[in-house]
Formats: sequence, structure tokens, C-alpha cells
Amino acid sequence: GQNIDQPTEMTATEGAIVQINCTYQTSGFNGLFWYQQHAGEAPTFLSYNVLDGLEEKGRFSSFLSRSKGYSYLLLKELQMKDSASYLCAVRDRSGGSYIPTFGRGTSLIVHP
Amino acid sequence: DVKVTQSSRYLVKRTGEKVFLECVQDMDHENMFWYRQDPGLGLRLIYFSYDVKMKEKGDIPEGYSVSREKKERFSLILESASTNQTSMYLCASSPGTGVFQPQHFGDGTRLSIL
Repeated sequence: GQNIDQPTEMTATEGAIVQINCTYQTSGFNGLFWYQQHAGEAPTFLSYNVLDGLEEKGRFSSFLSRSKGYSYLLLKELQMKDSASYLCAVRDRSGGSYIPTFGRGTSLIVHP
Repeated sequence: DVKVTQSSRYLVKRTGEKVFLECVQDMDHENMFWYRQDPGLGLRLIYFSYDVKMKEKGDIPEGYSVSREKKERFSLILESASTNQTSMYLCASSPGTGVFQPQHFGDGTRLSIL
């Protein structure tokens, strides 16, 4: 199985930059997903990394280092609507199922 | 746009009842999943299905069963509900096992067992 670790809660100020880390241990890494989940709503897909490096999508970027078992989600120019839970999910090809396993999520609170 | 619809947003049932949670997706996805989400524990996989009439156990299948008679519909069944099954239940679908296949989630069913 996988061991996925991310901080439980983070706070940041509107307009600032925040980095949410995710570390994992897996025997057959096959991709890492980030999802955003607002309270009472469905998780929605944000980004996907399978190769090392940075993927940028507007205000959001995601980074992966496979050798370190490490990813981060970077949120720039924070807005109040970015207050949400951010879920890291890792795909593992061992066993053949390719089903992502989710971390426990990081609750981000953006204050004025 | 992919739509995953769960039949109820809120549900209250009694201990020992048989409970059905329904999920329908409209994008002809092969894979469908049932998760439960609890504070501090994150999303945990109960069952998944990669084709009609196929099912596989996830990490916490005890006390649950599933049914997939049609491609678009995946049902979660609590055979005899217990209070420790009070939770948020999320259904998801994805188009296959290719390299890049994000999951699409429904809005969830908040189930309370009294």
C-alpha cells in the first residue's frame, strides 16, 4: 500500500502564496493528482503529475520529485474562495489496479 | 461536462435497516467507485467496479456490498446499517485505466444511522 502524508491545516492571507506539501511512499508510482474540495461539495480535479517537474495552470502549480516521493501544490495570489480542503492522491500500478489512494487532505483557511 | 449524480444529499436511517445509495454517471465511464469520507481519515475506498457486473473490494469493504447491473449506475448497499457507518459517502467515475484519468465525483450523500 501507500503512505501519503500532508499537513492537516494551513492558514494564509489573501493575496499571498501558499505551498501545500504531500509526501508518499509507494512501490509502483504511476501518477499523482491534486483535488480541491469546498465544504459540502464534491472534490474537483486540479492537476496531475507523472514526470518530475512543475506543471503550471494559472494561479495553481504542482511540482513532483519522484526520487524524493514528494509533491507540492502552489497557490498564488490567494483569494478567499481558495479556502477549501486540498487532497493529494497517488496512483500505484503494483497489483494492477491503478486505483489512486488519497491522503487525509489539507484544510486551507484564507483570511483577509 | 461529466455529471455524477447521487440520489440523495442527506439520508437518515435506523440501525439494522438495509440501505441503498445510488449513483449515476452520464459519460459512459468504465470505472466507478464508492468512498466514505470521515474527519481526520480522508477518503477511503469501499468498492470499485471496472465494468458491468464486475466489482472489486477496496480498503474497507466490510459491512457493504455493491451492484452494477448497468454501466451508468453503481449502487452501494449497507446490508444491516450500524451507527459506525454514519459518514459522508462519495461516488466517483473515471473513463479507464490509462495514464491520465482523473476521477469525477458526485456531491456526496451524508448518511446518518440512528
